[in-house]
Amino acid sequence: ETGVTQTPRHLVMGMTNKKSLKCEQHLGHNAMYWYKQSAKKPLELMFVYNFKEQTENNSVPSRFSPECPNSSHLFLHLHTLQPEDSALYLCASSREAGASRRRTGGYTFGSGTRLTVV
Amino acid sequence: TQLLEQSPQFLSIQEGENLTVYCNSSSVFSSLQWYRQEPGEGPVLLVTVVTGGEVKKLKRLTFQFGDARKDSSLHITAAQTGDTGLYLCAGALNTGNQFYFGTGTSLTVIP
Repeated sequence: ETGVTQTPRHLVMGMTNKKSLKCEQHLGHNAMYWYKQSAKKPLELMFVYNFKEQTENNSVPSRFSPECPNSSHLFLHLHTLQPEDSALYLCASSREAGASRRRTGGYTFGSGTRLTVV
Repeated sequence: TQLLEQSPQFLSIQEGENLTVYCNSSSVFSSLQWYRQEPGEGPVLLVTVVTGGEVKKLKRLTFQFGDARKDSSLHITAAQTGDTGLYLCAGALNTGNQFYFGTGTSLTVIP
């Protein structure tokens, strides 16, 4: 299997639930990202992991908790979410973070998880 | 305030027509990328431009990076229904580790 795979594709959860999103890449990339895509807003970067280490947390609320056990897997643990957290959550990978600055970067995105909080 | 502004926000054209979408900023970027996102899928990278004034062609798509590296355009010739999607530009600054995305242009090509 190649590319970036995200599961589940769709998720409906109550505000008191705990769930996890999973992302897996088989591209040999060393950087992985979580983005949030809401209607009428640009893609919002949430977290960056480079060689399994978290390098950026863009002021994301603590109800979102990332985990990166190795360079191929990334999780986003969710708990006590709010309805305004409903969005498409996209995982992406690249050869390494900072590649954008060195002009060698390019993200490969997964298909996303469509999350609805009720 | 968005770092990257894209225009138009929505565009609906007939098959066979030409179109141009724009990506503008007051910031200077070290590189800029264009992505296309189809409904229910993640964005797919189309091109990366890195040199001011650079022009890249991908079949019927022509991408241009502004001389000052603050803006970019995407021109599609003879649009096809398969071109329908959300077109996103993303720019990298000289510092930091991320691309900043624009709000996108939603293109619909009508048969």
